Amino acid sequence: GDSVTQMEGPVTLSEEAFLTINCTYTATGYPSLFWYVQYPGEGLQLLLKATKADDKGSNKGFEATYRKETTSFHLEKGSVQVSDSAVYFCAVRSNDYKLSFGAGTTVTVRA
Amino acid sequence: DGGITQSPKYLFRKEGQNVTLSCEQNLNHDAMYWYRQDPGQGLRLIYYSQIVNDFQKGDIAEGYSVSREKKESFPLTVTSAQKNPTAFYLCASRIREKAWDTGELFFGEGSRLTVL
Repeated sequence: GDSVTQMEGPVTLSEEAFLTINCTYTATGYPSLFWYVQYPGEGLQLLLKATKADDKGSNKGFEATYRKETTSFHLEKGSVQVSDSAVYFCAVRSNDYKLSFGAGTTVTVRA
Repeated sequence: DGGITQSPKYLFRKEGQNVTLSCEQNLNHDAMYWYRQDPGQGLRLIYYSQIVNDFQKGDIAEGYSVSREKKESFPLTVTSAQKNPTAFYLCASRIREKAWDTGELFFGEGSRLTVL
C-alpha cells in the first residue's frame, strides 16, 4: 500500500531561519501529494498540494516540488516565524478514497 | 460558515464503557472519514464512508463501529473491545464529484478521548 516517510522531529529553529522537512513516498501510479499543518489543539488544514510530476505547490511562504524521480515532496520555507510553530504532515493519495499520512514533524520557532 | 463539527472536544471514559463521538458536516460532501492520531504515529484510518448507508473499514477498524444514515453525519463508536482507546480522533470529509475534487480533506477540530 501507499506510505509516507517524513523527517523525524522535533525541529527547533530561530525566527527567520530556513526550514526544510523531508518527505518521501511509496505509491502506485501517479499519486497526488499534500502537506497539511496542525496548530496546537486543532485539526489539520491543507497547506499545499501538487498533483503531477514537477508541479510546485506553494502557500504562506512554504513551497514543495513533486519529484517523481526521487519520489520526494520536501517542504521548505525561507524565513520562518513564531506563528509557523505547528506539526506538519506529508500525505499521499493514489486511489479514490484514501489519504496516507506520514508520522508528522513538530516544528517550534523561537523568537 | 461551512465546516465540520466534532463533539465533544474532550471526553473521559471508564474502562469497559462504549462511547460515541459525533461528526457533523454542512459542506455537502459525500465522503467522510475517521482518523486516529497518536504521538509519533501520524494519522491512521479507522473507517470511511463514500456515500450514505455505506462504509468500509480502514487500517485499524477493530474495536470501532460507525454508521452513515445521513449525508451530513458520521458518528464513531469506540467500544469496550478497543484495547487502547486513549487518543485524539479526527473526522474529515471530501467532495467526490470529479469536477470539484481536488483531493483535499477537510478536518474537524478533533475529539480527545481519555480512558481512566
